Order: sequence, then C-alpha cells, then structure tokens
Amino acid sequence: GAGVSQTPSNKVTEKGKYVELRCDPISGHTALYWYRQSLGQGPEFLIYFQGTGAADDSGLPNDRFFAVRPEGSVSTLKIQRTERGDSAVYLCASSSVTSGGLYNEQFFGPGTRLTVL
Amino acid sequence: AQKITQTQPGMFVQEKEAVTLDCTYDTSDQSYGLFWYKQPSSGEMIFLIYQGSYDEQNATEGRYSLNFQKARKSANLVISASQLGDSAMYFCAMRGLGLISNFGNEKLTFGTGTRLTIIP
Repeated sequence: GAGVSQTPSNKVTEKGKYVELRCDPISGHTALYWYRQSLGQGPEFLIYFQGTGAADDSGLPNDRFFAVRPEGSVSTLKIQRTERGDSAVYLCASSSVTSGGLYNEQFFGPGTRLTVL
Repeated sequence: AQKITQTQPGMFVQEKEAVTLDCTYDTSDQSYGLFWYKQPSSGEMIFLIYQGSYDEQNATEGRYSLNFQKARKSANLVISASQLGDSAMYFCAMRGLGLISNFGNEKLTFGTGTRLTIIP
C-alpha cells in the first residue's frame, strides 16, 4: 500500500514569508508526527497528533510554528515569518499504535527540504 | 529527559565484513524502547530493529542484531555480512515511558547518526 507522502519535496522561500508543508499519513494510522532534521543532525521532534488533537507539541521551537490535522488524516505544518535558521528537512511519520506498549514503529515520509534565503 | 549518543560520525567497512555501530543512551524512564533507523541518500528513514528494555533476549532481524547491554546503557547495532546497499546514515533512537504511560511519551529521540560506507 501507499506509504507516507509529503508535499512539496522541495520548497525555497524568502526570509519573512509564510510556508505550509503537507503530510499524508498511511491510511488508518491515527498517530502522526512531525520532526525537523538539520544538516548533519538526527531528526528532532516537533509535534505529535493523536487523531485530530495535538497530544504533544513540546518540540515546536516558537510560536511561528503551528500544525493542524483537522480531520485526523492529512496534517499541515505552518511556519510564519520564516527565518534562515528554519532551513532543514521536515519529516513526517505515522503509526498505528496509539498507546500502551513501547513498540511503536513510525513510518516516515521522504521529507520536505525547506530552504529559506 | 532522554539522550542518545552516537560517537562514530563515520565508518568504512569492507564488503562482506561485519560492522558494529555504537549507541549509548540515558533516560530516567522506568521502561523504554530502542530503535535503529537507516537513512539512505534518498532521505527516507527506514526502520531496522527494535529492542524493549525488558526484553531478555537481544533482538535480531535478518542480518541486523542489537547488542543490548542494559547495565552499560548501550544498544549497538551489528550488521553481518555487509553489502554495498548498506551504505547510508544510521540513527539510534529511543522512546520511553514514565511511571504512568501516556500519549505524551510517543516521540522518538534520535542520536546524531553514523555514516556507514561499504567498500567493494
């Protein structure tokens, strides 16, 4: 079946502009995650959705970052007043395990490479 | 808080040899899970293997095995009979649970990764 998809694959914008990054999770997965991966680093957690609600947004760096998942499927990560330091690959993942157990395989999308000039 | 440390930024290994990628972790959680992911140049994170903190046996998945030493807080990945297609970045990650499981502990914490290059 189809995996996690993310659009666009690449986004180049100017400092101060607004951007939206989209994630389509695997069908039926209730959990959705956003991570940010800067050059030479491992992914860093941003936010986690369980259904439509953000269960954990402790990784969002500041109030310029916001994410939604209005129908419990597709999610959009929104970044206002972009800064050069926002340049990174933004990864989305989804999983079907919702609670209990530690095993929680997260299936990752190919990422969106954001470049802020 | 959780922390993953991968001290090998890069490794070169001859094809068909075995390789060990190091990972140490730190956590205050009562129980936790350890994961290894592979990230080829295409950028997608590929799940390789999982080890639970209360699992008595080391995890194995095909050519991948996890050398789990709980007392030393290490979870090294062993790849046997390496292949050219194994060349990629490898990330160790963990997820923990506190005294009470809750949705807030779903996130994965990753290390900085090891770039593995297999030499023909």
